[in-house]
Amino acid sequence: ETGVTQSPTHLIKTRGQQVTLRCSSQSGHNTVSWYQQALGQGPQFIFQYYREEENGRGNFPPRFSGLQFPNYSSELNVNALELDDSALYLCASSLGGDSGANVLTFGAGSRLTVL
Amino acid sequence: GDSVTQMEGPVTLSEEAFLTINCTYTATGYPSLFWYVQYPGEGLQLLLKATKADDKGSNKGFEATYRKETTSFHLEKGSVQVSDSAVYFCALGGSTLGRLYFGRGTQLTVWP
Repeated sequence: ETGVTQSPTHLIKTRGQQVTLRCSSQSGHNTVSWYQQALGQGPQFIFQYYREEENGRGNFPPRFSGLQFPNYSSELNVNALELDDSALYLCASSLGGDSGANVLTFGAGSRLTVL
Repeated sequence: GDSVTQMEGPVTLSEEAFLTINCTYTATGYPSLFWYVQYPGEGLQLLLKATKADDKGSNKGFEATYRKETTSFHLEKGSVQVSDSAVYFCALGGSTLGRLYFGRGTQLTVWP
């Protein structure tokens, strides 16, 4: 089975620009979560998508938005980039439902640098 | 709110030494608890988990016991190897399905 794949692996943007990060979930998984991991910190929950709808959101402003597609892949969009948005963005997939929803399979991440 | 407090690193050990990384949590209800490991340049991998009090999660020689009375989930390994060098994260499963609250991570370096 294929794991979670993310693209691009690295990218550099300037302040004020917009970025789109992409994620393909593990085969058979229908839920996608996004996390932001700043350097030296633990991952912080951004939001989760289930059945193409946002299903839970962390403490992130509205300029962080996302999509989930019918094939369960997902995008994370960040508008009006700020220097503090520089981080590793992790996508994780899982199966919906109580038993499996917290067992996440993570991708390797997209490293965003904002200059 | 839900949170995890994890022993700060870095931790440096010699091969075959005993490892303990402390983790305590604050949560409402009965959360699931996890340890994830992150190797350089890679995403997080689930190491072990426990879903209820007194459960012991184990994998690859690592163990952790869910202690409700002390709100702890300490990670232990009896004999570490160089290949165990990585960053270890304690995490708590929050009320939102799929949402995990992570500690800040503990960098482990094992020398031969």
